[in-house]
Amino acid sequence: SQQGEEDPQALSIQEGENATMNCSYKTSINNLQWYRQNSGRGLVHLILIRSNEREKHSGRLRVTLDTSKKSSSLLITASRAADTASYFCATLKTSGSRLTFGEGTQLTVNP
Amino acid sequence: DTGVSQNPRHKITKRGQNVTFRCDPISEHNRLYWYRQTLGQGPEFLTYFQNEAQLEKSRLLSDRFSAERPKGSFSTLEIQRTEQGDSAMYLCASSTAFWTGYHEQYFGPGTRLTVT
Repeated sequence: SQQGEEDPQALSIQEGENATMNCSYKTSINNLQWYRQNSGRGLVHLILIRSNEREKHSGRLRVTLDTSKKSSSLLITASRAADTASYFCATLKTSGSRLTFGEGTQLTVNP
Repeated sequence: DTGVSQNPRHKITKRGQNVTFRCDPISEHNRLYWYRQTLGQGPEFLTYFQNEAQLEKSRLLSDRFSAERPKGSFSTLEIQRTEQGDSAMYLCASSTAFWTGYHEQYFGPGTRLTVT
């Protein structure tokens, strides 16, 4: 299985609810990044968390990182219909420069 | 617009033809990356450049694929003798390289290739 696996694969919620997506990875990392992708479009960088950080906030986003469990979570609070998209975690390995992406979580926010 | 741009946005070609895509990174970024994304999957790394030097290539990059960044600015990705399995979205990203390794990569809108 590949580095950076998201869970769940699909999530459907009502507007105003919180959405939580999880990501697991296998190797040591330098940082972990979350991206959003609207259907058929490019990726938009959301937030980066370094390996020595445990939690980070940006607007309605909260990311946690547990390096002992090799896992991260992305929380979107007070979701909006415009948050409907695919969300990917991507890891940057300690020794490399390539990002390794998971398969993504498809989030649908119903108005 | 100061973001990453890619051309063309869509390309339909017949099997066996050659295609070339172009990526213009953010001007002050010295690193440029190519990824490929198939439907329902996350992007997969193909190759990256630091300035004009190609530093790493994935095993996904068969000998039919070649990428260049001749002056350390824009890059081209060429696929020769296209196959139906090459149908995908080809994404370009750029970043600056810090000694600390904290790289945010900024992605372009992608080129969607369909091989018929």
